[in-house]
Amino acid sequence: AQSVAQPEDQVNVAEGNPLTVKCTYSVSGNPYLFWYVQYPNRGLQFLLKYITGDNLVKGSYGFEAEFNKSQTSFHLKKPSALVSDSALYFCAVRDVNYGQNFVFGPGTRLSVLP
Amino acid sequence: ETGVTQSPTHLIKTRGQQVTLRCSSQSGHNTVSWYQQALGQGPQFIFQYYREEENGRGNFPPRFSGLQFPNYSSELNVNALELDDSALYLCASSLEGQGTEKLFFGSGTQLSVL
Repeated sequence: AQSVAQPEDQVNVAEGNPLTVKCTYSVSGNPYLFWYVQYPNRGLQFLLKYITGDNLVKGSYGFEAEFNKSQTSFHLKKPSALVSDSALYFCAVRDVNYGQNFVFGPGTRLSVLP
Repeated sequence: ETGVTQSPTHLIKTRGQQVTLRCSSQSGHNTVSWYQQALGQGPQFIFQYYREEENGRGNFPPRFSGLQFPNYSSELNVNALELDDSALYLCASSLEGQGTEKLFFGSGTQLSVL
């Protein structure tokens, strides 16, 4: 079965500092990995995805993520955090050999302090 | 904005009642998925519809049912509401092909069951 873990409920970082939001996953086949962001009273917005190819994926708003197959991780990163990056971040995995659904992690709340 | 619209935005029902939530997919998308997001949790997959047929279902009881119409809009119906059904219900559309496609989410319907 597919599963996603986000080990940190909350990440605090100062504006201008680099940020990392961690994600590990478990799938039986090849993973399709995604990051979404959720602002208050809004649906989820797509940030980036890894399907195949280069392990470093670049996405929206300056975010990037690194796929590490041996560690089954897909951590989200940004070189310089902005206050406006404060939101709820979800990692998701899809294993199309085991169904059509995305499995989401529990979310990590990112707070960027001015 | 994703082009996925949901109605209503908020809804209050009492236990035992029935509710219908509606979703209009992004233009050109042939697949719609429904997710339940309880407070403080990640979205949980309810089911997916592809070309008007159910194409996958999560661990939800039969009192959760759905429809997809020829214009690819969709409904989620929940019968015999329970207090634990209180959650944000998210609709997501996509154009299914290789399974690598991202989901486009609406802003959700906040359902409160009293």
